[in-house]
Amino acid sequence: KQEVTQIPAALSVPEGENLVLNCSFTDSAIYNLQWFRQDPGKGLTSLLLIQSSQREQTSGRLNASLDKSSGRSTLYIAASQPGDSATYLCAVSTPNNDMRFGAGTRLTVKP
Amino acid sequence: DGGITQSPKYLFRKEGQNVTLSCEQNLNHDAMYWYRQDPGQGLRLIYYSQIVNDFQKGDIAEGYSVSREKKESFPLTVTSAQKNPTAFYLCASNVGSGGAFETQYFGPGTRLLVL
Repeated sequence: KQEVTQIPAALSVPEGENLVLNCSFTDSAIYNLQWFRQDPGKGLTSLLLIQSSQREQTSGRLNASLDKSSGRSTLYIAASQPGDSATYLCAVSTPNNDMRFGAGTRLTVKP
Repeated sequence: DGGITQSPKYLFRKEGQNVTLSCEQNLNHDAMYWYRQDPGQGLRLIYYSQIVNDFQKGDIAEGYSVSREKKESFPLTVTSAQKNPTAFYLCASNVGSGGAFETQYFGPGTRLLVL
């Protein structure tokens, strides 16, 4: 059964810092990996989707990488801002067309 | 505007009561999903439906029931058999064709509390 782990569970950084969030998964047989953002009490918003054949995806200050063979993905956030404060979840899409989620990393960016 | 709506935003359940959470989408998506989110845990799949009049159990289906009579609607009933229903419930949908290009779209969620 696919297991997804995110480390750290929480992270606090000063504004302007570059940071990396980590995601690992146990089964490399995935269709894609997604990073989502969740604000408190809200639904999830998709940030980046990396197909299984890709190595990375970029959107603005966000860059996500995927190393399928080692079961790892990272989300890099450049020049962090207080508005980036949220919980970030990664999820892998399995061949059964369902998704397995990590527990998330709660990010706080201090002004 | 296309999207997913969930109602109500907050729902209170009394002991022994069944309650129904609404999920509606106007994205013309075939597949719909219900997840449960507890503090400090990832989303866990309750039920999913890939086509009208068909649905499958997820990892934690016990104490829940669903129906899929219309493509745009996928209501979730939390029955009295669910002994620990307090959680944040999220509905999602996608095109449903599977494969590398799929992304799921999420509703705003319903928080269920027990009185």
